Amino acid sequence: NAGVMQNPRHLVRRRGQEARLRCSPMKGHSHVYWYRQLPEEGLKFMVYLQKENIIDESGMPKERFSAEFPKEGPSILRIQQVVRGDSAAYFCASSQSWGARIEAFFGQGTRLTVV
Amino acid sequence: AQTVTQSQPEMSVQEAETVTLSCTYDTSESDYYLFWYKQPPSRQMILVIRQEAYKQQNATENRFSVNFQKAAKSFSLKISDSQLGDAAMYFCAYRSEETSGSRLTFGEGTQLTVNP
Repeated sequence: NAGVMQNPRHLVRRRGQEARLRCSPMKGHSHVYWYRQLPEEGLKFMVYLQKENIIDESGMPKERFSAEFPKEGPSILRIQQVVRGDSAAYFCASSQSWGARIEAFFGQGTRLTVV
Repeated sequence: AQTVTQSQPEMSVQEAETVTLSCTYDTSESDYYLFWYKQPPSRQMILVIRQEAYKQQNATENRFSVNFQKAAKSFSLKISDSQLGDAAMYFCAYRSEETSGSRLTFGEGTQLTVNP
């Protein structure tokens, strides 16, 4: 059973381009969380999705950022018109269901560098 | 809102010695979980240990144990017989039933160096 798969591992974008980060949850998991880790900082929650639904996007910046988790395929975190401040590691985690007792498993992250 | 504070940005320990990493949190909720995650240079987030708030007994996993003081809202991690492979960034994290799903709130991390 493969773990949470994120790709690409490294992504370089020029300012103004779009970045698309992909997350394939563990088999049987229908809940996905995205976190952002700025340099020298801890992980900060961005968004929580279930299949075809955004449940909590309270951590998402209001502009340029969007996320989806379609019925088929991976979850996508999309950043439009990237700026230098978007450079960070983006982590995805998945869980089987909802609740504090349910364990979430992390992918290895995507390191986005904006040049 | 819940907050998690790690007041030690960096710690170091000699190989085979014991080190304690501190974590405090702020919450008004009664049912929650606390975690310590390890992040080595590979960036993979590895769960080290978890504690359920309703359990009075401190969690233990081999050389890793916690000192959970619910009233003081303190959750420290003790690493015994430190090994070179323990060198990493350590994050304390919080999760409750009252927030979204299995969403975690992390502290800022403590960078642990193990000296041979």
